[in-house]
Amino acid sequence: ELKVEQNPLFLSMQEGKNYTIYCNYSTTSDRLYWYRQDPGKSLESLFVLLSNGAVKQEGRLMASLDTKARLSTLHITAAVHDLSATYFCAVAPNTGTASKLTFGTGTRLQVTL
Amino acid sequence: EADIYQTPRYLVIGTGKKITLECSQTMGHDKMYWYQQDPGMELHLIHYSYGVNSTEKGDLSSESTVSRIRTEHFPLTLESARPSHTSQYLCASRGTGRTEAFFGQGTRLTVV
Repeated sequence: ELKVEQNPLFLSMQEGKNYTIYCNYSTTSDRLYWYRQDPGKSLESLFVLLSNGAVKQEGRLMASLDTKARLSTLHITAAVHDLSATYFCAVAPNTGTASKLTFGTGTRLQVTL
Repeated sequence: EADIYQTPRYLVIGTGKKITLECSQTMGHDKMYWYQQDPGMELHLIHYSYGVNSTEKGDLSSESTVSRIRTEHFPLTLESARPSHTSQYLCASRGTGRTEAFFGQGTRLTVV
């Protein structure tokens, strides 16, 4: 069974600070996705990472993928309050049940003034 | 623009009732998913489909059932609702290749 783990589970950070969220997964995959969820809302797609070494950036968020280490990171630069949300990574395996999409445990980010 | 719709958005129902949560997408996606999520918690995959007449159970055991008779439609049915079924149910769809999944707005179910 595919396992997807994120850490930390909860992150409280001050505005202006930098931090990284980690996503580890247990199977061979070059299909990794990052999502954002605001309280009471559904999930919004942030990044699609489809190859080893892929890096995507949008505003203060940057995501990367290391398929050899089975690790993706979501880096936050100079956090602002609007980034407060829960962030999920999701992985689809390369073989076998390639249709299956498994989500990580989620990281709840709280940016304080 | 992703077009995936879930109805109802909110549902309060008594124990023992049969319910069907609807999910439709207009993007022609072959893959569709149902996830269960308690507030602020992780998403648990309960069912998925990779095409018409092809459905699989997910990682979280569920008493619900699904069907996929048409590409655009993926309803989830609970034959006899219980308070333990109280949760949010999120439907998603994904196209061919390695594209991301798009989510509906969710159905918040409360069984009393």
